[in-house]
Amino acid sequence: AQSVTQLGSHVSVSEGALVLLRCNYSSSVPPYLFWYVQYPNQGLQLLLKYTSAATLVKGINGFEAEFKKSETSFHLTKPSAHMSDAAEYFCAVSGSARQLTFGSGTQLTVLP
Amino acid sequence: DAGVIQSPRHEVTEMGQEVTLRCKPISGHNSLFWYRQTMMRGLELLIYFNNNVPIDDSGMPEDRFSAKMPNASFSTLKIQPSEPRDSAVYFCASSLGEWVSSYEQYFGPGTRLTVT
Repeated sequence: AQSVTQLGSHVSVSEGALVLLRCNYSSSVPPYLFWYVQYPNQGLQLLLKYTSAATLVKGINGFEAEFKKSETSFHLTKPSAHMSDAAEYFCAVSGSARQLTFGSGTQLTVLP
Repeated sequence: DAGVIQSPRHEVTEMGQEVTLRCKPISGHNSLFWYRQTMMRGLELLIYFNNNVPIDDSGMPEDRFSAKMPNASFSTLKIQPSEPRDSAVYFCASSLGEWVSSYEQYFGPGTRLTVT
Protein backbone atom coordinates (compact mmCIF):
# COMPACT_ATOMS: atom_id res chain seq x y z
CA ALA A 1 0.00 0.00 0.00
CA GLN A 2 1.08 3.56 -0.63
CA SER A 3 0.43 6.78 1.26
CA VAL A 4 1.75 10.30 1.51
CA THR A 5 1.82 12.74 4.38
CA GLN A 6 2.03 16.44 3.75
CA LEU A 7 3.35 18.33 6.74
CA GLY A 8 1.54 21.61 7.23
CA SER A 9 -1.89 22.19 5.81
CA HIS A 10 -1.15 25.91 5.49
CA VAL A 11 2.17 27.59 4.65
CA SER A 12 2.73 31.33 4.35
CA VAL A 13 5.79 32.92 2.78
CA SER A 14 6.70 36.43 1.77
CA GLU A 15 7.06 37.28 -1.89
CA GLY A 16 10.65 36.53 -2.92
CA ALA A 17 11.23 34.08 -0.08
CA LEU A 18 12.01 30.39 -0.38
CA VAL A 19 9.05 28.05 -0.75
CA LEU A 20 9.36 24.65 0.96
CA LEU A 21 6.43 22.26 0.99
CA ARG A 22 7.02 18.95 2.73
CA CYS A 23 5.94 15.50 1.62
CA ASN A 24 6.82 12.12 3.10
CA TYR A 25 5.76 8.90 1.47
CA SER A 26 5.25 5.29 2.38
CA SER A 27 5.42 2.62 -0.26
CA SER A 28 5.94 -1.12 -0.30
CA VAL A 29 7.45 -0.90 -3.78
CA PRO A 30 9.70 1.68 -5.48
CA PRO A 31 7.40 4.66 -5.78
CA TYR A 32 6.53 7.11 -8.46
CA LEU A 33 6.03 10.54 -6.87
CA PHE A 34 4.21 13.61 -8.10
CA TRP A 35 3.41 17.18 -7.17
CA TYR A 36 0.23 18.81 -8.41
CA VAL A 37 -1.05 22.37 -8.04
CA GLN A 38 -4.68 23.43 -7.79
CA TYR A 39 -5.68 27.04 -8.34
CA PRO A 40 -9.06 28.20 -7.01
CA ASN A 41 -12.01 26.71 -8.87
CA GLN A 42 -9.75 24.75 -11.20
CA GLY A 43 -8.64 21.18 -11.61
CA LEU A 44 -5.22 19.85 -10.66
CA GLN A 45 -2.21 20.51 -12.85
CA LEU A 46 0.97 18.43 -12.83
CA LEU A 47 4.02 20.35 -11.58
CA LEU A 48 6.60 17.57 -11.72
CA LYS A 49 7.09 13.85 -11.28
CA TYR A 50 9.76 11.41 -10.14
CA THR A 51 9.90 8.09 -11.98
CA SER A 52 13.22 6.61 -10.80
CA ALA A 53 15.49 8.63 -13.05
CA ALA A 54 17.29 11.67 -11.61
CA THR A 55 16.57 12.26 -7.94
CA LEU A 56 16.37 16.03 -8.44
CA VAL A 57 13.36 16.76 -10.56
CA LYS A 58 12.66 20.11 -12.17
CA GLY A 59 9.13 21.12 -12.98
CA ILE A 60 7.15 24.00 -14.33
CA ASN A 61 7.03 27.52 -12.91
CA GLY A 62 10.48 27.21 -11.31
CA PHE A 63 9.58 24.43 -8.88
CA GLU A 64 11.76 21.44 -8.16
CA ALA A 65 11.71 18.47 -5.81
CA GLU A 66 14.30 16.03 -4.57
CA PHE A 67 13.66 12.35 -3.98
CA LYS A 68 15.43 11.17 -0.82
CA LYS A 69 14.97 7.47 -0.29
CA SER A 70 16.74 7.43 3.08
CA GLU A 71 14.32 10.03 4.39
CA THR A 72 11.29 8.79 2.40
CA SER A 73 10.75 12.40 1.39
CA PHE A 74 9.90 14.34 -1.75
CA HIS A 75 9.82 17.98 -0.69
CA LEU A 76 8.86 20.72 -3.14
CA THR A 77 10.93 23.91 -3.33
CA LYS A 78 11.10 27.16 -5.22
CA PRO A 79 13.86 29.70 -4.56
CA SER A 80 11.71 32.80 -4.83
CA ALA A 81 7.95 32.92 -4.30
CA HIS A 82 5.68 34.90 -6.59
CA MET A 83 2.18 36.08 -5.80
CA SER A 84 0.95 33.83 -8.60
CA ASP A 85 2.21 30.76 -6.70
CA ALA A 86 -0.62 31.07 -4.18
CA ALA A 87 -2.59 27.84 -4.56
CA GLU A 88 -3.08 24.43 -3.02
CA TYR A 89 -0.36 21.86 -3.61
CA PHE A 90 -0.81 18.11 -3.52
CA CYS A 91 1.81 15.42 -3.25
CA ALA A 92 0.87 12.04 -4.71
CA VAL A 93 2.36 8.56 -4.88
CA SER A 94 1.84 5.59 -7.13
CA GLY A 95 3.16 2.13 -6.49
CA SER A 96 1.31 0.26 -9.16
CA ALA A 97 1.95 2.99 -11.74
CA ARG A 98 -1.76 2.93 -12.52
CA GLN A 99 -3.33 4.77 -9.60
CA LEU A 100 -2.47 7.93 -7.70
CA THR A 101 -2.84 8.32 -3.94
CA PHE A 102 -2.93 11.97 -2.93
CA GLY A 103 -1.90 13.72 0.24
CA SER A 104 -4.26 16.05 2.07
CA GLY A 105 -2.82 19.14 0.43
CA THR A 106 -0.95 22.27 1.53
CA GLN A 107 -2.43 25.71 1.00
CA LEU A 108 0.33 28.16 0.08
CA THR A 109 -0.20 31.84 0.81
CA VAL A 110 2.23 34.40 -0.58
CA LEU A 111 2.37 37.65 1.36
CA PRO A 112 3.29 40.91 -0.37
CA ASP B 1 -7.78 21.62 -27.40
CA ALA B 2 -10.51 22.64 -24.96
CA GLY B 3 -9.23 20.35 -22.24
CA VAL B 4 -11.40 18.07 -20.12
CA ILE B 5 -14.94 19.38 -20.01
CA GLN B 6 -17.25 18.72 -17.10
CA SER B 7 -20.89 19.62 -16.65
CA PRO B 8 -22.57 20.97 -14.73
CA ARG B 9 -20.01 23.06 -12.84
CA HIS B 10 -22.35 23.38 -9.89
CA GLU B 11 -25.24 21.18 -8.85
CA VAL B 12 -27.54 21.63 -5.90
CA THR B 13 -30.07 18.91 -5.27
CA GLU B 14 -32.22 17.53 -2.52
CA MET B 15 -31.55 14.31 -0.71
CA GLY B 16 -33.03 11.35 -2.53
CA GLN B 17 -32.76 12.84 -5.99
CA GLU B 18 -30.76 11.34 -8.83
CA VAL B 19 -27.66 13.26 -9.87
CA THR B 20 -25.74 12.79 -13.12
CA LEU B 21 -22.32 14.30 -13.66
CA ARG B 22 -20.86 14.43 -17.14
CA CYS B 23 -17.36 14.42 -18.55
CA LYS B 24 -15.88 14.85 -22.00
CA PRO B 25 -12.22 13.78 -22.07
CA ILE B 26 -9.54 15.24 -24.27
CA SER B 27 -9.81 13.86 -27.78
CA GLY B 28 -7.44 10.95 -28.32
CA HIS B 29 -7.06 10.11 -24.63
CA ASN B 30 -7.67 6.44 -23.83
CA SER B 31 -7.99 6.58 -20.06
CA LEU B 32 -10.54 8.39 -17.93
CA PHE B 33 -10.59 8.82 -14.17
CA TRP B 34 -13.27 10.01 -11.73
CA TYR B 35 -12.10 11.54 -8.43
CA ARG B 36 -13.95 12.96 -5.45
CA GLN B 37 -12.54 15.74 -3.26
CA THR B 38 -13.84 16.42 0.25
CA MET B 39 -12.42 18.19 3.26
CA MET B 40 -12.58 15.02 5.33
CA ARG B 41 -11.17 12.48 2.89
CA GLY B 42 -9.16 14.64 0.50
CA LEU B 43 -8.85 13.59 -3.13
CA GLU B 44 -9.71 9.97 -3.80
CA LEU B 45 -10.04 7.91 -6.96
CA LEU B 46 -13.51 6.50 -7.51
CA ILE B 47 -13.15 4.59 -10.78
CA TYR B 48 -11.13 4.59 -13.95
CA PHE B 49 -11.69 3.40 -17.51
CA ASN B 50 -9.25 2.32 -20.17
CA ASN B 51 -10.52 2.21 -23.75
CA ASN B 52 -14.06 2.72 -22.40
CA VAL B 53 -13.85 -0.34 -20.14
CA PRO B 54 -14.02 0.05 -16.35
CA ILE B 55 -10.75 -1.25 -14.95
CA ASP B 56 -10.96 -0.52 -11.24
CA ASP B 57 -14.08 0.61 -9.39
CA SER B 58 -12.86 -0.26 -5.92
CA GLY B 59 -13.08 3.37 -4.89
CA MET B 60 -16.80 3.67 -5.61
CA PRO B 61 -18.29 4.20 -2.17
CA GLU B 62 -21.43 2.11 -2.52
CA ASP B 63 -24.08 0.85 -4.87
CA ARG B 64 -25.69 4.26 -5.07
CA PHE B 65 -22.78 5.28 -7.31
CA SER B 66 -22.43 4.12 -10.90
CA ALA B 67 -20.26 5.21 -13.81
CA LYS B 68 -20.44 4.57 -17.52
CA MET B 69 -18.38 5.34 -20.56
CA PRO B 70 -20.50 4.55 -23.62
CA ASN B 71 -17.91 5.91 -26.03
CA ALA B 72 -14.47 7.47 -26.10
CA SER B 73 -15.77 11.01 -25.81
CA PHE B 74 -18.27 10.80 -22.96
CA SER B 75 -18.58 9.48 -19.44
CA THR B 76 -21.15 9.85 -16.68
CA LEU B 77 -21.09 9.43 -12.93
CA LYS B 78 -24.52 8.87 -11.44
CA ILE B 79 -25.63 8.97 -7.82
CA GLN B 80 -29.05 7.53 -7.03
CA PRO B 81 -30.35 8.30 -4.49
CA SER B 82 -28.16 11.17 -3.40
CA GLU B 83 -27.36 11.88 0.26
CA PRO B 84 -25.91 14.95 2.02
CA ARG B 85 -22.62 13.10 2.61
CA ASP B 86 -22.16 12.95 -1.17
CA SER B 87 -21.56 16.70 -1.19
CA ALA B 88 -18.09 17.17 -2.69
CA VAL B 89 -16.21 18.33 -5.75
CA TYR B 90 -16.08 15.61 -8.39
CA PHE B 91 -13.21 15.74 -10.87
CA CYS B 92 -12.82 13.95 -14.14
CA ALA B 93 -9.34 13.45 -15.58
CA SER B 94 -8.11 11.91 -18.80
CA SER B 95 -4.76 10.71 -20.12
CA LEU B 96 -3.21 9.00 -23.11
CA GLY B 97 -2.78 5.82 -21.05
CA GLU B 98 -3.42 4.33 -17.65
CA TRP B 99 0.23 4.29 -16.52
CA VAL B 100 0.71 7.42 -14.43
CA SER B 101 4.49 7.06 -14.67
CA SER B 102 4.30 7.65 -18.41
CA TYR B 103 1.15 9.63 -19.06
CA GLU B 104 0.04 12.85 -17.42
CA GLN B 105 -3.51 13.05 -16.14
CA TYR B 106 -5.31 16.20 -17.23
CA PHE B 107 -8.02 17.31 -14.84
CA GLY B 108 -11.27 19.04 -15.62
CA PRO B 109 -12.50 22.01 -13.57
CA GLY B 110 -14.72 19.82 -11.42
CA THR B 111 -18.40 19.70 -10.51
CA ARG B 112 -19.29 21.05 -7.08
CA LEU B 113 -22.20 18.97 -5.79
CA THR B 114 -24.29 20.06 -2.84
CA VAL B 115 -26.97 17.71 -1.52
CA THR B 116 -29.36 19.31 0.94
